[in-house]
Amino acid sequence: KAGVTQTPRYLIKTRGQQVTLSCSPISGHRSVSWYQQTPGQGLQFLFEYFSETQRNKGNFPGRFSGRQFSNSRSEMNVSTLELGDSALYLCASSLLRGLNSPLHFGNGTRLTVT
Amino acid sequence: TQLLEQSPQFLSIQEGENLTVYCNSSSVFSSLQWYRQEPGEGPVLLVTVVTGGEVKKLKRLTFQFGDARKDSSLHITAAQPGDTGLYLCAGARSGNTPLVFGKGTRLSVIA
Repeated sequence: KAGVTQTPRYLIKTRGQQVTLSCSPISGHRSVSWYQQTPGQGLQFLFEYFSETQRNKGNFPGRFSGRQFSNSRSEMNVSTLELGDSALYLCASSLLRGLNSPLHFGNGTRLTVT
Repeated sequence: TQLLEQSPQFLSIQEGENLTVYCNSSSVFSSLQWYRQEPGEGPVLLVTVVTGGEVKKLKRLTFQFGDARKDSSLHITAAQPGDTGLYLCAGARSGNTPLVFGKGTRLSVIA
């Protein structure tokens, strides 16, 4: 069974640009969550999608957005990039929502903003 | 303010030694999870604890959930180089709320 696939693995962008990251969950998983990981702040929750609807949103500015498609694949978009957006962006999928449905993480997209 | 505080931040030990890492909070969690993350990879779930006082063992790893469900510990017996990685604890306040992660303990086991 294929794991969670995130593309691209690496991205280098310039301040002010926008970026779109993609996540393909494990087949059959309907919930997708996104996290930002930095050395200073650790993993911080961005948003969760289930059945194409955003169910939870973290404390990030409106420049961060996402969506989920009918096949459960998800994308996140960051507009007007800032240097501080440099991070590892992790996507995790789970079969359902809630505590009894463990998260399976992808290997992340490393974004560098120059 | 970090909801989950992990200590120590860094730990470097010799192969064969025992170690304990901690995950503490002033908040009550419905469950706590422990993950291990290796360089270039995403976190991998090791265990979930849901009952106060619960102890779970996974080979040489022992996980404990505090009685008040505010803290947890991970004890590794006879550490091996393959145990090297970033250990993260994560808590869920209730059913469908997102997981909150600690900043992790970076463990290095030297052969």
